[in-house]
Amino acid sequence: DAGVTQSPTHLIKTRGQQVTLRCSPKSGHDTVSWYQQALGQGPQFIFQYYEEEERQRGNFPDRFSGHQFPNYSSELNVNALLLGDSALYLCASSLRRRMVTGELFFGEGSRLTVL
Amino acid sequence: AQTVTQSQPEMSVQEAETVTLSCTYDTSENNYYLFWYKQPPSRQMILVIRQEAYKQQNATENRFSVNFQKAAKSFSLKISDSQLGDTAMYFCAFMKTGRGSTLGRLYFGRGTQLTVWP
Repeated sequence: DAGVTQSPTHLIKTRGQQVTLRCSPKSGHDTVSWYQQALGQGPQFIFQYYEEEERQRGNFPDRFSGHQFPNYSSELNVNALLLGDSALYLCASSLRRRMVTGELFFGEGSRLTVL
Repeated sequence: AQTVTQSQPEMSVQEAETVTLSCTYDTSENNYYLFWYKQPPSRQMILVIRQEAYKQQNATENRFSVNFQKAAKSFSLKISDSQLGDTAMYFCAFMKTGRGSTLGRLYFGRGTQLTVWP
């Protein structure tokens, strides 16, 4: 049983470009959350998707957008990249009815470097 | 708003010894979970231990145990018989329980880098 998989593992972009990160949740999971972890910081919640809709959003600008597909996989898009967007982007998946007990599984993240 | 504070950026311990990592949090909620996650160089967040706020008994998972002081809003992690494989960044995290607009959202501290040396 595959866990949460994210792609790509590393990527380098330049300021002003756009990037798309992908996440496949653990088998059977229906909810995907995205976190941004800047160097030396704890992860910060970006948003959460369930039933193909954004259900919650953290304090991130509209340049950050996402999507969830019918197979529950998800994408995180960031437009007009800034140097400060350099970070590890983590995806966490869960089964919604089990989220009340904090059952989340994380992927290994996508390391984005903006030059 | 929920905040989680880890005041120890780095800790080190000799193999087989015991170490305690500190965490404090601030919330006005009564029902919540607290977590310790481990993040090794592989970057994947791995759940170490979980505590429900309404449970007075401290959680234990093998060599890992917590000291949960609800009134003091303190949640420390004790690692006994430390092993080289315990070397990692450790994050304390908070989550409100119950259904609502913040279901499943974790609030993390800044982490403590633990190094276990031979």
